[in-house]
Amino acid sequence: DYQMTQSPSSVSASVGDRVTISCRASGGISSFLAWYQQKPGKAPKLLIYAASVLQSGVPSRFSGSGFGTDFTLTINSLQPEDFATYYCQQANTFPTFGQGTRLE
Amino acid sequence: EVQLVQSGTVMKKPGESLKISCEGSGYDFGTFWIGWVRQMPGKGLEWMGIIYPGDSHSRYNPSFQGQVTISADKSINTAYLQLSSLKASDTAVYYCVRRLQRSALNWFDPWGQGTLVTVS
Repeated sequence: DYQMTQSPSSVSASVGDRVTISCRASGGISSFLAWYQQKPGKAPKLLIYAASVLQSGVPSRFSGSGFGTDFTLTINSLQPEDFATYYCQQANTFPTFGQGTRLE
Repeated sequence: EVQLVQSGTVMKKPGESLKISCEGSGYDFGTFWIGWVRQMPGKGLEWMGIIYPGDSHSRYNPSFQGQVTISADKSINTAYLQLSSLKASDTAVYYCVRRLQRSALNWFDPWGQGTLVTVS
């Protein structure tokens, strides 16, 4: 199994800021990585898959990059609705999630 | 619109069993893998297992193997998660999820709304 480690665990930012969240896999996973956003009391929402492909309907201020073991989610020009918890997930046969990063 | 709709909140006693349902609509239910994800209170996401409704082939996270049963009835576009011998530690929100694509890669969209299970 691949272990996924996100950093930081939490981050404070303001509307208009640029935020970067990192995710590291315990082994190489090519570009088989997804990012999700979860708001309190709601189901997670897919933002990005294949490390950098924006899911339909997701604003372009979200972007993803990386390959192998190191990946990044970037949110440009933070909007009020972006304050949430973000999870990375490796998409191989037995998926695993990072522990989450709370953006506040 | 592609969507998954789950059965409602459940409260059970330790030792009891339960079965959560997840009905898919807006797509060919039998041709997309459906999975289940657990979220314990205040915690992160754990993938439990997945099933292909077309032939009911399933795969489990070893951490959940033997503890849960995933099934599907493609005639009614519904997948199920069965939990038996419930313990307080099974208290969680359970989400059903659909693979985004028909490929073998496990990125999930959409998600069901979640089913809160309380064991007490």
